[in-house]
Amino acid sequence: AQSVTQPDIHITVSEGASLELRCNYSYGATPYLFWYVQSPGQGLQLLLKYFSGDTLVQGIKGFEAEFKRSQSSFNLRKPSVHWSDAAEYFCAVVPYAGNNRKLIWGLGTSLAVNP
Amino acid sequence: DADVTQTPRNRITKTGKRIMLECSQTKGHDRMYWYRQDPGLGLRLIYYSFDVKDINKGEISDGYSVSRQAQAKFSLSLESAIPNQTALYFCATSAPGTGSPEAFFGQGTRLTVV
Repeated sequence: AQSVTQPDIHITVSEGASLELRCNYSYGATPYLFWYVQSPGQGLQLLLKYFSGDTLVQGIKGFEAEFKRSQSSFNLRKPSVHWSDAAEYFCAVVPYAGNNRKLIWGLGTSLAVNP
Repeated sequence: DADVTQTPRNRITKTGKRIMLECSQTKGHDRMYWYRQDPGLGLRLIYYSFDVKDINKGEISDGYSVSRQAQAKFSLSLESAIPNQTALYFCATSAPGTGSPEAFFGQGTRLTVV
């Protein structure tokens, strides 16, 4: 079955430190790939997306993600975390074909930022 | 104004009551979704609609019903609310036919069933 795995349920980093959130998917072909952020009390906002082309994609709020086909991964990174980055982060995929093009979600990674 | 608007934002209701959550969108998207979010369980799909006449059950549709009144409006009903339906509910839209299948979310409705 198609699935998305976010291995880290909760991560704590210090402000100014670098960040990497992991995402792996199980799907035969390269799907559409997304990262969303959910700030406390808010809806989900799209951070970035990958469809094709350059495997390093830039998003909003200083985030980037790298698609690695060989590892079926789409990890999210930020060089220097700010306190306002504390939030829940979700990885999602849309199969290129089939599944009626619906999003398949990871369970999320909760990020805490220490001052 | 928000592209995807959910009402109400917060609601407390009693067990056994019928409640409706409403969603409207100005994005012109054909697809609309209702999700439920619980801590540690991520987002689970309740119902989705590809257009006004095409409504489909998601992974957790029991106890819920929906109505797509127009392309822009998609409401979720709890016919007889129970405490384990206490959760954060999200409406979302998408338009994969445009070549960009990402979803756009409302701000959520926090529902408490007592």
